[in-house]
Amino acid sequence: KQEVTQIPAALSVPEGENLVLNCSFTDSAIYNLQWFRQDPGKGLTSLLLIQSSQREQTSGRLNASLDKSSGRSTLYIAASQPGDSATYLCAADNYGQNFVFGPGTRLSVLP
Amino acid sequence: GAGVSQSPSNKVTEKGKDVELRCDPISGHTALYWYRQRLGQGLEFLIYFQGNSAPDKSGLPSDRFSAERTGESVSTLTIQRTQQEDSAVYLCASSLSPNKEAFFGQGTRLTVV
Repeated sequence: KQEVTQIPAALSVPEGENLVLNCSFTDSAIYNLQWFRQDPGKGLTSLLLIQSSQREQTSGRLNASLDKSSGRSTLYIAASQPGDSATYLCAADNYGQNFVFGPGTRLSVLP
Repeated sequence: GAGVSQSPSNKVTEKGKDVELRCDPISGHTALYWYRQRLGQGLEFLIYFQGNSAPDKSGLPSDRFSAERTGESVSTLTIQRTQQEDSAVYLCASSLSPNKEAFFGQGTRLTVV
């Protein structure tokens, strides 16, 4: 069964810093990995989806990489802003069906 | 529709009552997922529908929980004889097909008193 972990659990940085969030998964036979953000009391917003054949995806200031062999993905946020404050979740597919989520990294970007 | 729609957004019910939660996926999306998120916890998978295939019910926590989906449209999650431990946000997501980007609704916050 797929298991997903994320480190750090929480992160607080000053505005403007570049930062990296880490995600690890136990079963490398994934079809894809998806990153989401969740704002307090809200649903999940999709940020990036990386297919198993890809090594990275970029959207604006966000870049996500995938290393299937080591069971790792990283989300890089450039020039962080207070509006980036949220919980970031990664999710790996479970044998091509449902997604298994990590516990999340709670990010605070201080102005 | 423009996005995944869930109703109601909030539901308060008495212990022992049945509740029904509704999810309208994005039009044309064949895959539909239900997850539960308890306060301060991560997302727990409940059930997955793909087209007309038999649903994956492996995440349902007890036989009080059931879900239906008619074709590739609306899904309802039913919780019978609700317990306080059922209090959580219930999130629905859909994707164009398996292994494609999943989009989530805003969730239904269920409170059992």
